[in-house]
Amino acid sequence: GIQVEQSPPDLILQEGANSTLRCNFSDSVNNLQWFHQNPWGQLINLFYIPSGTKQNGRLSATTVATERYSLLYISSSQTTDSGVYFCAADGAGGYQKVTFGTGTKLQVIP
Amino acid sequence: GAVVSQHPSWVICKSGTSVKIECRSLDFQATTMFWYRQFPKQSLMLMATSNEGSKATYEQGVEKDKFLINHASLTLSTLTVTSAHPEDSSFYICSAPEWVYSNQPQHFGDGTRLSIL
Repeated sequence: GIQVEQSPPDLILQEGANSTLRCNFSDSVNNLQWFHQNPWGQLINLFYIPSGTKQNGRLSATTVATERYSLLYISSSQTTDSGVYFCAADGAGGYQKVTFGTGTKLQVIP
Repeated sequence: GAVVSQHPSWVICKSGTSVKIECRSLDFQATTMFWYRQFPKQSLMLMATSNEGSKATYEQGVEKDKFLINHASLTLSTLTVTSAHPEDSSFYICSAPEWVYSNQPQHFGDGTRLSIL
């Protein structure tokens, strides 16, 4: 099956700083999503982005499908951005079986 | 809009008890649902694929007799952890695509935190 790796595994930011999270996947994908998992475990869907670039407020994401990676940009970080960020992909030809990445734990300090 | 509702959100029970977790699709029919498990400080791992009207498909290493899945209707899938033990303590979450074989994001439930004493 498809392999999904994220980097960095851990990230500590000063409030107001910018950051880039990376997601590499081993095969072509039909679907790629970015999630923020809050302290209660809820998965908050940030982006559905199998290709191209999208922006939502301080967050934006870019997926380069031909090179098999996706980036999540967080600008002007806030303490509420803390948590774990996952990318998740389902491989092309699959039955929408989603594989989650290894996750990036982000801590934003005041 | 399309929502997946998962209950209960938190369960604490004694070892040997069976626990049922429900996952409902609201405002859409889900012929397929997926069940994931997440241990502390780890990623989410797919346990099984639940198909309405047929047997579930389990991932390698997942005991089908321990984790019983029933998908009896187009809006409800249940996961029953039978004779639960402390090692079954985990965070369980379900998801469903709004349409099968479509390039649309999946909808996730809010998860169930299971603690076995």
